[in-house]
Amino acid sequence: AQSVTQPDIHITVSEGASLELRCNYSYGATPYLFWYVQSPGQGLQLLLKYFSGDTLVQGIKGFEAEFKRSQSSFNLRKPSVHWSDAAEYFCAVGAGNNDMRFGAGTRLTVKP
Amino acid sequence: DAGVIQSPRHEVTEMGQEVTLRCKPISGHNSLFWYRQTMMRGLELLIYFNNNVPIDDSGMPEDRFSAKMPNASFSTLKIQPSEPRDSAVYFCASSWPEQETQYFGPGTRLLVL
Repeated sequence: AQSVTQPDIHITVSEGASLELRCNYSYGATPYLFWYVQSPGQGLQLLLKYFSGDTLVQGIKGFEAEFKRSQSSFNLRKPSVHWSDAAEYFCAVGAGNNDMRFGAGTRLTVKP
Repeated sequence: DAGVIQSPRHEVTEMGQEVTLRCKPISGHNSLFWYRQTMMRGLELLIYFNNNVPIDDSGMPEDRFSAKMPNASFSTLKIQPSEPRDSAVYFCASSWPEQETQYFGPGTRLLVL
């Protein structure tokens, strides 16, 4: 079965700085990849997804992610972080049969 | 367009009581998922339905948990009897099965005393 690793439990960045959140997956075939964001007390909101095609995908709120098959990675990036981006971020991998596995999440703190 | 709707948003109950969580998926979606989120175990898939039929319930922790989907617009997750270790946030999500993208509700925060 597929699995996801988010190596960073907690990341702190300054407002205006760039951001990269790491995600590594394990799956034998081409995966479906997702990033979700969860604000405190809220549900998970889809930021972006990759199914096929262009390996650089754009999402909402200025986020992007790049699928790198050779590294089994799908890192999330944002060039300039805003205070409102403070939240928990989850990477997820799907196998094409509604079987989606989530990473443990990375909590992002934004310093003023 | 209404998203996934869950009720109640918060539930506090005593050990041994029955708890029923409710979910209304996005209209037209025909897959529905129940997840549990805790600090220790993260997000866990409990069960999912396709066209109102349970497909995979291997994540349901034990017989105290049951889920139903009597029609395309409503599902329940029941815990009977509840225990303190069931305290968690329970999320419902829905999707089109072909699209593999799940949309989450706001969750029900359950506290069992």
